[in-house]
Amino acid sequence: AQSVAQPEDQVNVAEGNPLTVKCTYSVSGNPYLFWYVQYPNRGLQFLLKYITGDNLVKGSYGFEAEFNKSQTSFHLKKPSALVSDSALYFCAVRDEAAGNKLTFGGGTRVLVKP
Amino acid sequence: DTEVTQTPKHLVMGMTNKKSLKCEQHMGHRAMYWYKQKAKKPPELMFVYSYEKLSINESVPSRFSPECPNSSLLNLHLHALQPEDSALYLCASSKATGGDTYSNQPQHFGDGTRLSIL
Repeated sequence: AQSVAQPEDQVNVAEGNPLTVKCTYSVSGNPYLFWYVQYPNRGLQFLLKYITGDNLVKGSYGFEAEFNKSQTSFHLKKPSALVSDSALYFCAVRDEAAGNKLTFGGGTRVLVKP
Repeated sequence: DTEVTQTPKHLVMGMTNKKSLKCEQHMGHRAMYWYKQKAKKPPELMFVYSYEKLSINESVPSRFSPECPNSSLLNLHLHALQPEDSALYLCASSKATGGDTYSNQPQHFGDGTRLSIL
């Protein structure tokens, strides 16, 4: 079975500071990893994905994520956070061997203060 | 603006009513999804359609009935819902790269229908 953990319910960061949102996963096959962001009263927006290749993945709005196979992690990062980055962030995984179901982590609320 | 359009945005219905949620996309995606999301929780998968055929049903109660009339449209028919069914219902779509293989494709979400059951 596949699973995703986001250990922090909320992350607070000052505007201009680096932002990190943590994600660890568990799969039996090769993982396909995704990050999504959800603003209030909106659907989820795709930020980036890791399928194969370079461990550092760059995505939308200046976000990037680093795939670490030995630590089974896929942390989301942004070098300089903006107030507008305040939202709910979800990490998700699809196990190549387990079919096409996308499993989401519990979500991390990011609050960027001016 | 999202590329997946869901209507209505809000719906209030009684437990004896019948209503339908609609989802439309024109990106040529052949995989479409229904999710249920409670406040501050992750989306929970309900159904997946691949090439207009139901491929995944996550043991959803029969009071929810999906329909995919063509490659652009996805409906969710509702009947005799319970108060605990109140939630945000999200539709999503993704490319399907041959058969059922679409694991590595990102999903594009609509903004959802906020459903309240009285």
